[in-house]
Amino acid sequence: NAGVTQTPKFQVLKTGQSMTLQCAQDMNHEYMSWYRQDPGMGLRLIHYSVGAGITDQGEVPNGYNVSRSTTEDFPLRLLSAAPSQTSVYFCASTATVNTEAFFGQGTRLTVV
Amino acid sequence: GESVGLHLPTLSVQEGDNSIINCAYSNSASDYFIWYKQESGKGPQFIIDIRSNMDKRQGQRVTVLLNKTVKHLSLQIAATQPGDSAVYFCAERNYGQNFVFGPGTRLSVLP
Repeated sequence: NAGVTQTPKFQVLKTGQSMTLQCAQDMNHEYMSWYRQDPGMGLRLIHYSVGAGITDQGEVPNGYNVSRSTTEDFPLRLLSAAPSQTSVYFCASTATVNTEAFFGQGTRLTVV
Repeated sequence: GESVGLHLPTLSVQEGDNSIINCAYSNSASDYFIWYKQESGKGPQFIIDIRSNMDKRQGQRVTVLLNKTVKHLSLQIAATQPGDSAVYFCAERNYGQNFVFGPGTRLSVLP
């Protein structure tokens, strides 16, 4: 059972470039979310989805887009990368409202 | 805004001693709390959780205490081992299924 899988593990972008961070889970969880983690700070919620076809903004959504066409996949898109988006990104999925979130291994993104 | 914080950014303990990691939260409406462990280069890993109708919960070598009066959460690790070295995060859920994370405490286990 793979759990939550994120790709790529590392990525370097130039300012203005676009890319998509992939996230897939095989646990049939309805709820998925994206966080960013910066030095000295906890994880901050970017976007989340409570089920296929439904997405919503978290604490720091600016500069990011998401979609949820299937239960399994929840990609995060950067349309025009900025140095401020240099961070480690984590995808997570949750089975129900009363259970913990399972995290992927993270994507380390550097924007130069 | 509401936030979850930790009292100490770093904690060093001798191998075999007990560790206590503290967390303060500000939202009295939060009803579910989780402790996560994050090793270098990896995603956060669930350790233990506690709901607001409980004061204490025990797992294998770990205990979480919740004091709702002062909005304080702690994680106790018994007989700390080198493999316990990591960053520990507390997280609170205060609306829907979203969690608010604290900045983390780095635990170092000394030989």
